[in-house]
Order: sequence, then C-alpha cells, then structure tokens
Amino acid sequence: GNSVTQMEGPVTLSEEAFLTINCTYTATGYPSLFWYVQYPGEGLQLLLKATKADDKGSNKGFEATYRKETTSFHLEKGSVQVSDSAVYFCAPQGSYNKLIFGAGTRLAVHP
Amino acid sequence: DGGITQSPKYLFRKEGQNVTLSCEQNLNHDAMYWYRQDPGQGLRLIYYSQIVNDFQKGDIAEGYSVSREKKESFPLTVTSAQKNPTAFYLCASSMGDNHYNEQFFGPGTRLTVL
Repeated sequence: GNSVTQMEGPVTLSEEAFLTINCTYTATGYPSLFWYVQYPGEGLQLLLKATKADDKGSNKGFEATYRKETTSFHLEKGSVQVSDSAVYFCAPQGSYNKLIFGAGTRLAVHP
Repeated sequence: DGGITQSPKYLFRKEGQNVTLSCEQNLNHDAMYWYRQDPGQGLRLIYYSQIVNDFQKGDIAEGYSVSREKKESFPLTVTSAQKNPTAFYLCASSMGDNHYNEQFFGPGTRLTVL
C-alpha cells in the first residue's frame, strides 16, 4: 500500500545551520508531493509542493525536488531560524486527493 | 478572509456521550476531509467528501459519522462507539479530486473525553 518514511526526530540544530529532512514514499501511479508544517497547537500549513518528476518546490527558503527514480522528496533549507521550529510532514497525494502522512519530523532550532 | 474554521478549539466530554465537531469553509471548495492526530503521530483520515450529499469512509471511520448537507459545512460526530476518542481533530478542504490540489487545514479541535 501507500506509505511515507521520514527521518525520525527530533532534529536539533543551531540557528543558521543547514537542514535536511529525508522523505521517501511508496505510492501507486504518479502522486503529487507535499511538505506541510505544523506549529504547536495549530493545524497544518502547506510549505511547498511538486506535482511531477524533477519539479522543485520552494517557499520561505525551503526547497524539495521530486525524485521519481528514488521516490524521494527531501526537504532542505540553507540557514534555519528559531522560528522554523515545528513539525514537518511529507505527504504524497494520490487518487481522490488522499494524503498519506508519516509520523512527521520535529525540528528544534536553538539560538 | 477565506479559510476554514473549526469550533470549539477545546472540547471536553464525558465517556459515553456523542459529540459533534464543527467545520466550516468559505473557500468554495468541493472536497472536505476529517483527520485525527494522536500525540507524536501523523494524521489519519476518518472521512472525506468530494461533493455535497456524498461522503466516503477513510482509514479509521469506525465510531465516527459525518454529513455533508451544504458545501460549506462538514460536521463530524464522535459517537460513544469510538473506543479512544481523545485526540486532536483536523478538518481540511480542497478544490476537487485532482491530486494537484493542496488541502487547506483548519486550526483543529482538541477533544478530551473524561
């Protein structure tokens, strides 16, 4: 069946460090791929998306590239800030707009 | 402002009582969804609706019921049959069933059953 594997958290970084959160997925067909972010006590917000192979999604300094050959969609940011502390979810979306969520990766950024 | 509202933010109920969570959207979206989130876990799909007066079970529908009488509204009832109802409940909507369309999430309702 469809599934997502994200690197386990928490990921703890100092401000201005480089961030990578790995995401691999299994899904039928050619899903769209999304990264959502959840701040404490809130709902999810779309961070970025890619809808076909080799597309790069980007937003607020975050980037991820749709790699069909490795079924991956790793999230990167060159210089993290304390305000980036949150839980990040990688989620492929296939037919009937069904999102598939992993457990999420908690990021903690310290000054 | 367009968006999704969920109310209330916090809800407490006694065991054995049914409770209904509200979800309203003014984005003119056709599709709406209910998810459940447990501590340290991802979201699991409870029910979804692609059009008014139609809805389908998600992965964990047992003990829940929904209705979709209006495009803007998709209330979720947590029944006494749900064995472990304490959780964070999230509602979402999207433009339609095209998988390019992202889902927009509400702020969530935290339900605690005492």
